[in-house]
Amino acid sequence: NAGVTQTPKFRVLKTGQSMTLLCAQDMNHEYMYWYRQDPGMGLRLIHYSVGEGTTAKGEVPDGYNVSRLKKQNFLLGLESAAPSQTSVYFCASKVQNNQPQHFGDGTRLSIL
Amino acid sequence: AQSVTQLDSHVSVSEGTPVLLRCNYSSSYSPSLFWYVQHPNKGLQLLLKYTSAATLVKGINGFEAEFKKSETSFHLTKPSAHMSDAAEYFCVVSDRGRNAGNMLTFGGGTRLMVKP
Repeated sequence: NAGVTQTPKFRVLKTGQSMTLLCAQDMNHEYMYWYRQDPGMGLRLIHYSVGEGTTAKGEVPDGYNVSRLKKQNFLLGLESAAPSQTSVYFCASKVQNNQPQHFGDGTRLSIL
Repeated sequence: AQSVTQLDSHVSVSEGTPVLLRCNYSSSYSPSLFWYVQHPNKGLQLLLKYTSAATLVKGINGFEAEFKKSETSFHLTKPSAHMSDAAEYFCVVSDRGRNAGNMLTFGGGTRLMVKP
């Protein structure tokens, strides 16, 4: 049972570099989410998608872009990385409203 | 609007003693409530959920939580702590069907430490 898979697991970037984080789910879920986790702050929603081809902003969207070209994949992009984006990023998915979200194991991103 | 407050950032118990992790929420509508656990360097795992059925909810690994509307609380309990319970716990609220994407709001987390 793969569930929600995040790639890569770790990455170090220099300020100004760009990169894309990949989230893949094999559960045919409609909803997908990207969060960042910072110490003492729980998880904060960056962007989300309610279906293939749709995206929407969450609580902290600035500096990030997303795409959901295929139902099973949700990509998070950083166009010009900044040290404030150093964090642990989690992807989650769920089948429908009021059901719990299933989380990946996270991507640890450091920006120097 | 919805919000969650976890009243303790750290809780320390001895193995074999009861666990109580406190959570208060606010929600404009009937909420769904969840508890998730996060072990080091891992994602979040669902412990239990409340979605308007029984107010006492049983979850995995012996945990349970009681939804008290009058107190706007959803405290997590376990009768006897085990060393493997040491982790970070998150209380989470969602306004059922009232926001596009059914977004979750997370509490700040409670780190549970279990002493031998």
